[in-house]
Amino acid sequence: DQQVKQNSPSLSVQEGRISILNCDYTNSMFDYFLWYKKYPAEGPTFLISISSIKDKNEDGRFTVFLNKSAKHLSLHIVPSQPGDSAVYFCAASDRSGGSNYKLTFGKGTLLTVNP
Amino acid sequence: DAGITQSPRHKVTETGTPVTLRCHQTENHRYMYWYRQDPGHGLRLIHYSYGVKDTDKGEVSDGYSVSRSKTEDFLLTLESATSSQTSVYFCAISLDRGPSGYTFGSGTRLTVV
Repeated sequence: DQQVKQNSPSLSVQEGRISILNCDYTNSMFDYFLWYKKYPAEGPTFLISISSIKDKNEDGRFTVFLNKSAKHLSLHIVPSQPGDSAVYFCAASDRSGGSNYKLTFGKGTLLTVNP
Repeated sequence: DAGITQSPRHKVTETGTPVTLRCHQTENHRYMYWYRQDPGHGLRLIHYSYGVKDTDKGEVSDGYSVSRSKTEDFLLTLESATSSQTSVYFCAISLDRGPSGYTFGSGTRLTVV
């Protein structure tokens, strides 16, 4: 049972336009959400996060929106740049749970930004 | 960058042989994790550790074992490698429930022939 879902395997956008990557989750205990970016032959790197007490977090060109009632979050990249081309992973955690700290990842979305 | 290194970076091995991958950190982080990345599956947790000698299974632990005898090292062993274990393996570390989650290593590409 997949608890974090990224239903779009790929997304292609033009440079300068907005990229919107979506993520859905099923576990209502998740209270912290993160986005990671991964280039080929490298490990994923942290991009941006949001706590469940917020509905928006912004960092430069990147904004994450959280809709708890819909169990949905999205990552907006504005404006998109060719260097943003990468695989983006959505991740979630239940930070209230005991001594175990685990992130559950989605399958990833490959973003291609065309010049 | 957090100090986390994986070795080897690439390995080709034969079916049925044991293989050990190493993750080494210099950050004194409590938590360490092993993930595998496969097309269509994303990142799946194999095993994780929440302290020296404290480990637990993830969602795809069959055929794998781990050991953590020191804070800085987390070893992943494929007891008898199979072709289905051909994958890219990532180690990650985490201090605790920090705002940026994990720091990942650069990965080990393992091919079982």
